[in-house]
Amino acid sequence: QVQLVESGGGLVKPGGSLRLSCAASGFTFSDYYMTWIRQAPGKGLEWVSYMSGSARTIYYAESVKGRFTISRDNTKNSLFLQMNSLTAEDTAVYYCARDGRGWDKYYFDYWGQGTLVTVSS
Amino acid sequence: EIVLTQSPATLSLSPGERATLSCRASQSVSSYLAWYQQKPGQAPRLLIYDTFNRAPGIPARFSGSGSGTDFTLTISNLEPEDFAVYYCQQCTNWPPYMYSFGQGTKLEIK
Repeated sequence: QVQLVESGGGLVKPGGSLRLSCAASGFTFSDYYMTWIRQAPGKGLEWVSYMSGSARTIYYAESVKGRFTISRDNTKNSLFLQMNSLTAEDTAVYYCARDGRGWDKYYFDYWGQGTLVTVSS
Repeated sequence: EIVLTQSPATLSLSPGERATLSCRASQSVSSYLAWYQQKPGQAPRLLIYDTFNRAPGIPARFSGSGSGTDFTLTISNLEPEDFAVYYCQQCTNWPPYMYSFGQGTKLEIK
């Protein structure tokens, strides 16, 4: 069955960096776009970034553009999010999700359990 | 950017009743409208995709409808496990095909 497991969250100081990982299994990882979505404490969902299976297509939300970098390693079935210049507004649970857009399916059918990033001094 | 506005923010109903949740877009969207359910401490779960298609394993009491700028999630005969937060989500059908979510509707037990 499809599984997505995030890791790498934690406490980081403002201006600091963190790298999140998402380990995928149960499907052909390289066939799928993958997406990062975040949720600030007590708030709604915010799409962050997506990357195509080939890594040729990438987009970012304006709120993270220039600070976050999405990447993937299809040989290891892994998705990453490098987060730099972090601020308190980046405090959130970060989810990776399978994105069906490569199959004309513009929704997220599988989600990981999330990893919490806290930006605080 | 397309903004999705969900209403009401909170809906208080009893088990066995029907819930009607609204999602309104700031401009006409494609049929790429999805709904998710999220319970405390859990990741969101896909319920409905492409406006009215139920995801695998989703009970028939969940149904979606709408077009243009107005979309609805209906939950008939509410079960205790249906009380949760619900989000709508859309994807623009023009480059760069950006996603956005509504702010959520909390369905609580009356």
